[in-house]
Amino acid sequence: SAVISQKPSRDICQRGTSLTIQCQVDSQVTMMFWYRQQPGQSLTLIATANQGSEATYESGFVIDKFPISRPNLTFSTLTVSNMSPEDSSIYLCSVEEGTNTEAFFGQGTRLTVV
Amino acid sequence: DQQVKQNSPSLSVQEGRISILNCDYTNSMFDYFLWYKKYPAEGPTFLISISSIKDKNEDGRFTVFLNKSAKHLSLHIVPSQPGDSAVYFCAASDLIQGAQKLVFGQGTRLTINP
Repeated sequence: SAVISQKPSRDICQRGTSLTIQCQVDSQVTMMFWYRQQPGQSLTLIATANQGSEATYESGFVIDKFPISRPNLTFSTLTVSNMSPEDSSIYLCSVEEGTNTEAFFGQGTRLTVV
Repeated sequence: DQQVKQNSPSLSVQEGRISILNCDYTNSMFDYFLWYKKYPAEGPTFLISISSIKDKNEDGRFTVFLNKSAKHLSLHIVPSQPGDSAVYFCAASDLIQGAQKLVFGQGTRLTINP
């Protein structure tokens, strides 16, 4: 399976600032996904990032708050903008792989906003 | 609207015994189901999946059972080992969208006691 690396693994940020999370895959993939896991909650899909097109956002998530870049088939970034304490979560990128279309995840970025 | 529910936030099992983790879903359009395991500070790791054309899928110590009429699936781990201690998430999608639209449950923390 693909090896997925996320940076940073964790960060503590001041409210009102922005953080960009990077996701690097060791092979070319068509679709990359960004998830959020708020404390004690399930994983929630933020958006789907395809190379060469605009990201597709799920209900409740908007581009102004979570801009995404997908410059090539192995890399994507998610920015959490104008952060508030409610944005404190684990952010995960994932890719679809295999004939059974399972999603494989990076190790996640634990974000704390103070 | 929680489409995938794991009603037990935690489960404690003795080493060597069977662990049974349960998951219920409400969306009858789901026809593909997955289980993930998550250790602290790591991303979720795919364990096993099942499509709706089956009622059982087995992989080593892990077996997933699907009861479509009850909209219920379960993961059996036997025998349970200390390394199985983790948070387990069930997820659902449909085979057309696959990994693109995974909906996760809230997770069950499994603790295996020596």
